[in-house]
Amino acid sequence: EPEVTQTPSHQVTQMGQEVILRCVPISNHLYFYWYRQILGQKVEFLVSFYNNEISEKSEIFDDQFSVERPDGSNFTLKIRSTKLEDSAMYFCASRRQGLSNQPQHFGDGTRLSIL
Amino acid sequence: AQTVTQSQPEMSVQEAETVTLSCTYDTSESDYYLFWYKQPPSRQMILVIRQEAYKQQNATENRFSVNFQKAAKSFSLKISDSQLGDAAMYFCAYAYGQNFVFGPGTRLSVLP
Repeated sequence: EPEVTQTPSHQVTQMGQEVILRCVPISNHLYFYWYRQILGQKVEFLVSFYNNEISEKSEIFDDQFSVERPDGSNFTLKIRSTKLEDSAMYFCASRRQGLSNQPQHFGDGTRLSIL
Repeated sequence: AQTVTQSQPEMSVQEAETVTLSCTYDTSESDYYLFWYKQPPSRQMILVIRQEAYKQQNATENRFSVNFQKAAKSFSLKISDSQLGDAAMYFCAYAYGQNFVFGPGTRLSVLP
């Protein structure tokens, strides 16, 4: 069964550095998402992406964050000038369509640790 | 705005017993979908079961079933014959269009 894959599984970065988290959605999916989960807390929506543009973003997704689909397969989340509070698990998800009955398929997540 | 509430931060169940996890949500829409996701210690997010709001019949997947009460906006998950591998965080989620909202989660422990 096709899967969403995320790399790396664990990223350790110095505070203030830029980090790029990578995701390869399921190939026939058209809608892409990033979520964040700080340890022990709920899953928080960051951004949704469709047709090469952001369709929705949360208050968390400020100017520090950006997303891109540079080559038609990868879907990346860039965090500029990382802060300690960016330490979290970041999940990528994709859906075949934007219809309500389509569940989101999640990757295994990238654990981001900011030192 | 849609919200999803899981009032039980933690639950425990004896192996082979049955447990029910609660979920309530708030929406003004009539045609939406509800999901339960499982997050084991490995922290993957795994789809367990989904329910279409227009269907009165409760969804079932092997040992997992839901009790969907549309008027009450309640969507509980029942796990029968609990197994050690069921220990995880369980997230209830609501979907309408592109809007996808998670509840805060319930941590389920399974006692041998």
